[in-house]
Amino acid sequence: DQQVKQNSPSLSVQEGRISILNCDYTNSMFDYFLWYKKYPAEGPTFLISISSIKDKNEDGRFTVFLNKSAKHLSLHIVPSQPGDSAVYFCAASASYKLSFGAGTTVTVRA
Amino acid sequence: NAGVTQTPKFQVLKTGQSMTLQCAQDMNHNSMYWYRQDPGMGLRLIYYSASEGTTDKGEVPNGYNVSRLNKREFSLRLESAAPSQTSVYFCASEQGNQPQHFGDGTRLSIL
Repeated sequence: DQQVKQNSPSLSVQEGRISILNCDYTNSMFDYFLWYKKYPAEGPTFLISISSIKDKNEDGRFTVFLNKSAKHLSLHIVPSQPGDSAVYFCAASASYKLSFGAGTTVTVRA
Repeated sequence: NAGVTQTPKFQVLKTGQSMTLQCAQDMNHNSMYWYRQDPGMGLRLIYYSASEGTTDKGEVPNGYNVSRLNKREFSLRLESAAPSQTSVYFCASEQGNQPQHFGDGTRLSIL
């Protein structure tokens, strides 16, 4: 039973435009949400996070939005750059254990 | 600045063989984790260790054992490998409520 879902396996975006990645969850006990970025043949690296007491967190080009009532979060990347081409995993935490979505592969076109 | 180091990076086994995947972190983190990643699925937790001397099952522990050798090292053992255990295995470490740091993975194929 997958508790964290990323329904879009892939996303293609033009360089300079906005990338929007979506994530839905089912467990209302999740209290901390993270996005990880993964390049081929490397491990996931932490990108940005948000606590359940907030609805927005921003770090440079990356912004994460949380809608608790809808159990939905999204990651906005503005502007998208070629180096952003990677797999992005949404993760949610309860009692310090992470549940991951299946990932969204982002391709930034020149 | 190594972070989390996993060995080996690649391995091919025959069904029934045993193998230990090694993981070491140099960040003095208390908690360590083992995940597997399969195509079309997110990372799934196999086992974790909240602190030196303790280990607990995660979501998919069957067919695996772990040892928290000391604060730095957390190994994952397959006693009798099966084709269903073909996967990419990631080790991670964490301190407090900070984000987990991951190694670069071990790609394991079982024939």
